[in-house]
Order: sequence, then structure tokens, then C-alpha cells
Amino acid sequence: EPEVTQTPSHQVTQMGQEVILRCVPISNHLYFYWYRQILGQKVEFLVSFYNNEISEKSEIFDDQFSVERPDGSNFTLKIRSTKLEDSAMYFCASNGRGNQPQHFGDGTRLSIL
Amino acid sequence: GQQLNQSPQSMFIQEGEDVSMNCTSSSIFNTWLWYKQDPGEGPVLLIALYKAGELTSNGRLTAQFGITRKDSFLNISASIPSDVGIYFCAGQLTDGGSQGNLIFGKGTKLSVKP
Repeated sequence: EPEVTQTPSHQVTQMGQEVILRCVPISNHLYFYWYRQILGQKVEFLVSFYNNEISEKSEIFDDQFSVERPDGSNFTLKIRSTKLEDSAMYFCASNGRGNQPQHFGDGTRLSIL
Repeated sequence: GQQLNQSPQSMFIQEGEDVSMNCTSSSIFNTWLWYKQDPGEGPVLLIALYKAGELTSNGRLTAQFGITRKDSFLNISASIPSDVGIYFCAGQLTDGGSQGNLIFGKGTKLSVKP
């Protein structure tokens, strides 16, 4: 069964450094999402993306965050200057149509030191 | 913003027992979804519900979309050890085919004693 794949599985970064999290959505999907899950808490929406632009973003997704679809298969989340509170699991998700169920990757654990 | 109240927070049950968990919201959703998350992995879709009143089964799992569109429950019958994990409800508000982000509940942690 097709899967959403995310790399790396674990990223350790010094505070203030830039980090790029990578996702390969399911190949025929057109709608992409990033979510965040702080340890022990619920999954929170960050941003949705369609047709090469952001559809919606949450309050968490401030100017430090950006997303990009650099080619036909990758979807990236960049955090420009990381803070301690950015430590979390980051999940990428995709679906074929906006109202279809979203399928999630296994996440990237981001640890900010 | 919209919030989902999911209960119970955790459950400790004996293998073979049935399980029930639910989510309520102060506002309506067009779609309710139930996901399961194992440690170190992403949420895996269990059941998707699209119509108010809809009752859907997936093996030993049954979920219903409340008539008011503000609640949903998930039942697991005859639990087995591999049912262990965290179960999340998620609501989605979409307008036609437009893209809609998911609002997640806080999860129900299920532990099963063999």
C-alpha cells in the first residue's frame, strides 16, 4: 500500500539553527499537510498546501516556518531559527482530494538542544 | 478555535473485553475520523465517517457519526493485545471538495492485559 515517507526519522539541532524536514507524499496525492505533536500531547495542525501555495495555516505556523514543493515528489518544512519549544514530532500527511482521509507518515522527531 | 473533548483519557482492560471511547465538540464537523497511533509511528486511519448518523465497521471496530454532527464514538469488540496504543478522534470541516485541516482530540491510551 502506498505510504507517506518522512526523513530523517530523528533530527537533533542546536537552538538557532535552521532545519529542513522532508516528506514524500503518496504519489497521486495533491493535497499536503504538516502537523506537530509535542511529547504526550495531541496532534496539532500547522499548514496545508495545494497547487503550490499555502491553503491554510495555524497560529503556530509563524514567520519562522515555511513550506515548499521543490520538485514533483518532495514536500518540505523549514524552520528558520529553531527554538527549544520547537522540539516535537512533525508529521506530514497527504490526500488525493481535500475532503478525503489524510494519510500520515511516521514523523520526524525534532530535538532542539 | 474548535476543540474536541475525547474520553476516557486512558483505559486498562482485560483481553477479550469490549472498549468504547467518544469525542464531543462544541461545533459541527463534516467528517469524523478515528486514528490509532503506536509508539514512534504516525497516526494510522481506522475509520472515516462522512454523514450524520452513519455507522461504519472495520473488523472488530465500529464507529458512529452523531446525528448532531458534534460527536462520534468508537467501539472495539473482543480486544486483543495488539489493540494497545493511543486512539485519536479527528474532526474535519470541509466546504465541498475544499481542503480541510484536522482537529484532533487528546487521545485515549488503551492498555490490554493478556
